[in-house]
Amino acid sequence: DVKVTQSSRYLVKRTGEKVFLECVQDMDHENMFWYRQDPGLGLRLIYFSYDVKMKEKGDIPEGYSVSREKKERFSLILESASTNQTSMYLCASSPRHGPYGYTFGSGTRLTVV
Amino acid sequence: SQKIEQNSEALNIQEGKTATLTCNYTNYSPAYLQWYRQDPGRGPVFLLLIRENEKEKRKERLKVTFDTTLKQSLFHITASQPADSATYLCALVSILTGGGNKLTFGTGTQLKVEL
Repeated sequence: DVKVTQSSRYLVKRTGEKVFLECVQDMDHENMFWYRQDPGLGLRLIYFSYDVKMKEKGDIPEGYSVSREKKERFSLILESASTNQTSMYLCASSPRHGPYGYTFGSGTRLTVV
Repeated sequence: SQKIEQNSEALNIQEGKTATLTCNYTNYSPAYLQWYRQDPGRGPVFLLLIRENEKEKRKERLKVTFDTTLKQSLFHITASQPADSATYLCALVSILTGGGNKLTFGTGTQLKVEL
């Protein structure tokens, strides 16, 4: 069964901490994405990558960075966590070519206190 | 500005009836549109894709229409079941220069199918 795996389902971090969210996919997909989901705002794209070591800003990149050192792994980094980054974070992947549907992970619910 | 609108109010219907969910968009010219299902605490799951030159697409009890003139997609579930209860998201597809596609999501409509 093909899969996108996010390392943690729940995380609680303190304000100012550096936070790493990890995502691994086993489908050999070129494209990977990080979204956050908040009530009433839906899913908003933070960053995406269409190749190893490549990254592109999404709609809300401020306060975040990403790393893609290997094709299967895409990490989201909160440089200095703040309470307004409390959210559900969702990772997704897709093949490079064609309008294929995304495969999402189960999400990480991050609480910053 | 670009906007994707789905009915934010929950849709409650009786088992066996047809559920119809609406997705309207402005200031987009998507080549494709996708629909996803999301259960509480889980990531969205891809259901269907429809191209701009397709008027209708079916998959089992699901049917999607895409009207680029009205800038609207309708998502139908026929013979609905309680197990269909979930939030349904529409997403507009933009083709990336580097290859692949980027999705912009609506906020979703919650469907509740009652016995």
